[in-house]
Amino acid sequence: KNQVEQSPQSLIILEGKNCTLQCNYTVSPFSNLRWYKQDTGRGPVSLTIMTFSENTKSNGRYTATLDADTKQSSLHITASQLSDSASYICVVSYGGSQGNLIFGKGTKLSVKP
Amino acid sequence: DGGITQSPKYLFRKEGQNVTLSCEQNLNHDAMYWYRQDPGQGLRLIYYSQIVNDFQKGDIAEGYSVSREKKESFPLTVTSAQKNPTAFYLCASNYRGRTEAFFGQGTRLTVV
Repeated sequence: KNQVEQSPQSLIILEGKNCTLQCNYTVSPFSNLRWYKQDTGRGPVSLTIMTFSENTKSNGRYTATLDADTKQSSLHITASQLSDSASYICVVSYGGSQGNLIFGKGTKLSVKP
Repeated sequence: DGGITQSPKYLFRKEGQNVTLSCEQNLNHDAMYWYRQDPGQGLRLIYYSQIVNDFQKGDIAEGYSVSREKKESFPLTVTSAQKNPTAFYLCASNYRGRTEAFFGQGTRLTVV
């Protein structure tokens, strides 16, 4: 069964600290993996995409990693800011056709001053 | 500006009523999707459409209906057959062959 599992479910950190969010997937055939950021009450926005051949990709203070062998991805946030408070959703695409997106349940990150 | 627009932002429905959520995009995207989001749950696919006049059921289509008469529009009707419709509904679109989905701002539906 195709699944995407994220951990932790929620996380509270102090402003300026780093954190890492995890995504494990059992999806086949794998196409790519995206991390989305969803502010409360708004639609998700794509942060980064990881394809099978990519190990690391950065987008400002966000760095995503992918281990296709172990089917794990992580999103590392450096020097967190209050505006990083949001849900972060891991989405895996498979099969190469439309509609084949599996969404994780997300990690709710709260950054406190 | 190009984008995807959902309306209304908040919607209240009486039990037994049908309601229609609007989703419009001017990105010239071929595919459009409807997702439902409940607290603590991931996004779940309701319906999707890859071309005009064609659509497919997602994982939780029961109690919902859609139409795709125009490329730009993909309205979702929540029927009285949907027993637990209170949720946050998200519409998304993308180009066929591309896997990045662009989302609207969502509609929060509450049954009163």
